[in-house]
Amino acid sequence: AQKITQTQPGMFVQEKEAVTLDCTYDTSDPSYGLFWYKQPSSGEMIFLIYQGSYDQQNATEGRYSLNFQKARKSANLVISASQLGDSAMYFCAMREKMDSSYKLIFGSGTRLLVRP
Amino acid sequence: GAVVSQHPSWVICKSGTSVKIECRSLDFQATTMFWYRQFPKQSLMLMATSNEGSKATYEQGVEKDKFLINHASLTLSTLTVTSAHPEDSSFYICSAFTGPWSNQPQHFGDGTRLSIL
Repeated sequence: AQKITQTQPGMFVQEKEAVTLDCTYDTSDPSYGLFWYKQPSSGEMIFLIYQGSYDQQNATEGRYSLNFQKARKSANLVISASQLGDSAMYFCAMREKMDSSYKLIFGSGTRLLVRP
Repeated sequence: GAVVSQHPSWVICKSGTSVKIECRSLDFQATTMFWYRQFPKQSLMLMATSNEGSKATYEQGVEKDKFLINHASLTLSTLTVTSAHPEDSSFYICSAFTGPWSNQPQHFGDGTRLSIL
C-alpha cells in the first residue's frame, strides 16, 4: 500500500501567488514525522519544513507552511508569494519506525512550474 | 549546519566495472545512513539502511550482492555497485540520520549520477 501519496504530478502557479501541494499519508504508528523536500534540476535534496505527529501547531518556515490535518492524514505544503526559483520537484516524505529502524519514505513528487 | 558529502558526483564507466560511492557526514556522527536510487522523473526509492558497525538492511527487491554497503565508521558509508550494467545507470543519493528520534531533517548528499556504457 502507498505510504505517501502525492496526487498532483505537475502544478503551475503564477509568480507572486500562493500554491498548495497535496500530500496524504498512511501509518498506524502514532509517532511519525512528515517532511517536505525540494529537488531542483541539479538533483540535490533541499529540506523545507518538518511536522511532527505530536505537534499541536502547523509548521512554518518563511514562505513555507504545512497544513497538517492529522485526522485526515494530510500534510499539504503551502508556498506563499511564489518565486521563479521555486520551480522544482517537491517531495513529501514520512519518517516512521519500521523493523526497529527509522526510515524516510518519499511520495512520487509534484513538479511545480512558476510562471512569470 | 550539518553537511553530507557524497563522492563522486558523476561516474561514467564500462559495463562490468565495479563502482564505489562514498558518503561522509562532515560535522556530525551518523549512526544510520540511507541509500536511495532515483530514476529520471521518478521519486527516491530506498535501497538500504546501514547502521554503523553492523550489516546493512536491504529493501525488498534490492540485490545484496549487487549493491554492497559498508558503514565502517560513524562518518562514512560506501555503496559499491558490483559488475555494473547499463540497467544500473541511475542517480544514487545517500542520506544521514543522527538518531535517536529527533525532529531534525535527514541530511542528503548531492547525489551521484552513474552511467554505465
